[in-house]
Amino acid sequence: AQSVTQLGSHVSVSEGALVLLRCNYSSSVPPYLFWYVQYPNQGLQLLLKYTSAATLVKGINGFEAEFKKSETSFHLTKPSAHMSDAAEYFCAVSDGFTGGGNKLTFGTGTQLKVEL
Amino acid sequence: KAGVTQTPRYLIKTRGQQVTLSCSPISGHRSVSWYQQTPGQGLQFLFEYFSETQRNKGNFPGRFSGRQFSNSRSEMNVSTLELGDSALYLCASSPDSQKLFFGSGTQLSVL
Repeated sequence: AQSVTQLGSHVSVSEGALVLLRCNYSSSVPPYLFWYVQYPNQGLQLLLKYTSAATLVKGINGFEAEFKKSETSFHLTKPSAHMSDAAEYFCAVSDGFTGGGNKLTFGTGTQLKVEL
Repeated sequence: KAGVTQTPRYLIKTRGQQVTLSCSPISGHRSVSWYQQTPGQGLQFLFEYFSETQRNKGNFPGRFSGRQFSNSRSEMNVSTLELGDSALYLCASSPDSQKLFFGSGTQLSVL
């Protein structure tokens, strides 16, 4: 069974500071990994996805994530936080399209707070 | 292109009733998935439909069911509602590329 663990249910950073949201995965097959963001009263929006093409994945809004197989990690980073980045972030894993369809297993989420 | 549309946005029901939620995917997307989001359990996969066939199913009781129509629109039904069914139900469509586009959800409250 696949799973993801997000370390830290709440993260607080100052505007302009580095954002680092942690995600570790567990998968018996090469995983597809995703980061989604959810703003209040909205659905989820895809930030980026890893599908084995490149270990460093660039997403929208200046976010990127690096796949590290040796550490089973897929941490999300952004060099400089903006007030508009305040939201909840979810890491998710899928066992791939073939046979797996679009079934994602989500982490418990990390609420990012950005302070002035 | 219009996004994923879920109706209704809010719903209040009482225990024992049944409810039907609707999802219209992005035009051209043949895969529709449903997820339940609660503060306690987080985001949990309910099921996925592709070309009117259920392709994947999560670990939910049989009270939760769904279907997909030939135009890819999907409905999910919950029968004999329980208090614990109160949640945000999210629908997501996909062009079958592992990229999900989510709707804003239906907030269901069971009293």
